[in-house]
Amino acid sequence: GAVVSQHPSWVICKSGTSVKIECRSLDFQATTMFWYRQFPKQSLMLMATSNEGSKATYEQGVEKDKFLINHASLTLSTLTVTSAHPEDSSFYICSAREQGWREKLFFGSGTQLSVL
Amino acid sequence: AQKITQTQPGMFVQEKEAVTLDCTYDTSDQSYGLFWYKQPSSGEMIFLIYQGSYDEQNATEGRYSLNFQKARKSANLVISASQLGDSAMYFCAMRENDYKLSFGAGTTVTVRA
Repeated sequence: GAVVSQHPSWVICKSGTSVKIECRSLDFQATTMFWYRQFPKQSLMLMATSNEGSKATYEQGVEKDKFLINHASLTLSTLTVTSAHPEDSSFYICSAREQGWREKLFFGSGTQLSVL
Repeated sequence: AQKITQTQPGMFVQEKEAVTLDCTYDTSDQSYGLFWYKQPSSGEMIFLIYQGSYDEQNATEGRYSLNFQKARKSANLVISASQLGDSAMYFCAMRENDYKLSFGAGTTVTVRA
């Protein structure tokens, strides 16, 4: 089956630094990628939708200047948490939609971010 | 308004028995898709089963089946012959025309030996 690779799987950083998370579709072209945030024992909350070659669309309440999303190619999207603070600590997970398929949505393995 | 409702925060099931996880949804779109995902403690989201709104037959994937009742807007997941490895959090999700997935709150399933 299709594979979405997400790196790093976990990261610890100091407050004020920036962290980049990568999401790659390994064997298919992903027209659209989605970024989610998940707090412990809670549901996934959609942060933003990224389409290759265009600006990301952010959900209400998500700071686009804090969570920078780049979708430079059909196989790679990145999420950069800028000037991270402890309240940004969370589990971040991406998903990718295979081009041309409505129902094929595949998830990365997630990134646990801890900001000290 | 909540698009996906999962009313069971947690469930216990005996090994080898079946368990049904409830999911109701709300949408005005005619075309939509319903998904079930399993999330073990490792955090990955594992796709289990998909049901399209126009699919007339209930979806099945191995031990997983989806009981799709369109008029009632429900899409319950049935796991048959539960195994210890089925212990995880289970999420129901809906994809509408914009391709975004809306997730329910999740149900934690614990399988007892």
